[in-house]
Amino acid sequence: AQRVTQPEKLLSVFKGAPVELKCNYSYSGSPELFWYVQYSRQRLQLLLRHISRESIKGFTADLNKGETSFHLKKPFAQEEDSAMYYCALLRSGTYKYIFGTGTRLKVLA
Amino acid sequence: DVKVTQSSRYLVKRTGEKVFLECVQDMDHENMFWYRQDPGLGLRLIYFSYDVKMKEKGDIPEGYSVSREKKERFSLILESASTNQTSMYLCATSSNTEAFFGQGTRLTVV
Repeated sequence: AQRVTQPEKLLSVFKGAPVELKCNYSYSGSPELFWYVQYSRQRLQLLLRHISRESIKGFTADLNKGETSFHLKKPFAQEEDSAMYYCALLRSGTYKYIFGTGTRLKVLA
Repeated sequence: DVKVTQSSRYLVKRTGEKVFLECVQDMDHENMFWYRQDPGLGLRLIYFSYDVKMKEKGDIPEGYSVSREKKERFSLILESASTNQTSMYLCATSSNTEAFFGQGTRLTVV
């Protein structure tokens, strides 16, 4: 079955601490994976995609095909990182995404 | 910037009413989507349209229908609203590299 799993509903860290939001996937083909973020009172938006291999707002994510994971990491959390984060997989040959259940990140002062 | 605009931010409807949620995009994208966003359940795809008058069921289509008469407009219809359809509804469009979302419509069915 095609699935994206985010095991943590809520993750609380202190400002300046490292952050890792976990994402695991189950997919038979070659996956395209994304992280989307929703800040308070804002619309859901793309944070980063694995094929770009870029760092956005200090966040990085590496696709690990062996572990079927795409964890989102940031070495030093900021208060403005507090948001809802969704891991998503794009079904091959379509424009349809499978979203995880989301992780709410709270960065405490 | 891509603009995906949903007609209402908040709606309150009565059980049994027919409800229309409207979405308009200005980027000439062929693909448009309707999702439900519920706490602990994430985003679940209701319906998908890949062209005018073309539609495809998503993962939770029961109780919903859609209409795509023009490329820029994608409507979600609740034929007979029920309390379990109280939710946040998100419209989206996509290129082959990114999905763009509307601001959401919070629907409450009483």
